[in-house]
Amino acid sequence: KAGVTQTPRYLIKTRGQQVTLSCSPISGHRSVSWYQQTPGQGLQFLFEYFSETQRNKGNFPGRFSGRQFSNSRSEMNVSTLELGDSALYLCASSLGGDRETQYFGPGTRLLVL
Amino acid sequence: QQQVKQSPQSLIVQKGGISIINCAYENTAFDYFPWYQQFPGKGPALLIAIRPDVSEKKEGRFTISFNKSAKQFSLHIMDSQPGDSATYFCAATTGTALIFGKGTTLSVSS
Repeated sequence: KAGVTQTPRYLIKTRGQQVTLSCSPISGHRSVSWYQQTPGQGLQFLFEYFSETQRNKGNFPGRFSGRQFSNSRSEMNVSTLELGDSALYLCASSLGGDRETQYFGPGTRLLVL
Repeated sequence: QQQVKQSPQSLIVQKGGISIINCAYENTAFDYFPWYQQFPGKGPALLIAIRPDVSEKKEGRFTISFNKSAKQFSLHIMDSQPGDSATYFCAATTGTALIFGKGTTLSVSS
């Protein structure tokens, strides 16, 4: 099976712009979670989508949003980018049950200038 | 309440030695504790996981020890190899949202 894929792999934006990141889960997986990884804060949970519905949400401002499509692919959007949004954004897919193994993609490296 | 504290931040171990990474949590609702391994340029990958109804789980050279009363768990890597050099994250969850420790960068010298 193909693993989790994320596009693009690298992105450079300027403050105030918005960005959309894409994640394709492993075939058959219905849950997609998004995480932000930074040197200072480590890995932080953003939100999780299951069957096109946001099922869980972390402590991030409303500028961070997401959605999931009927084929389980997911997108994450960040509006009004700030310098502090520079990070590696990881998505992970799983079958969807509690405590199921989450399989991570390679991430999208976002740099905000 | 939601934090998972991980130590040490970095670790240098000789080839063949034992690597030990410790984690502590506060939220007693956590009921699943996975460990992830991350190599540079890659996403984290599940290494081994444990539930609080067992005190130890072993998979090959990797062992998780779990102390429910102390709210602590640790990863032991036996016979550490240069290929084990990576960043290790402990995590905890009550369902699907993983709460991660800050990570431990392990370097195994040959």
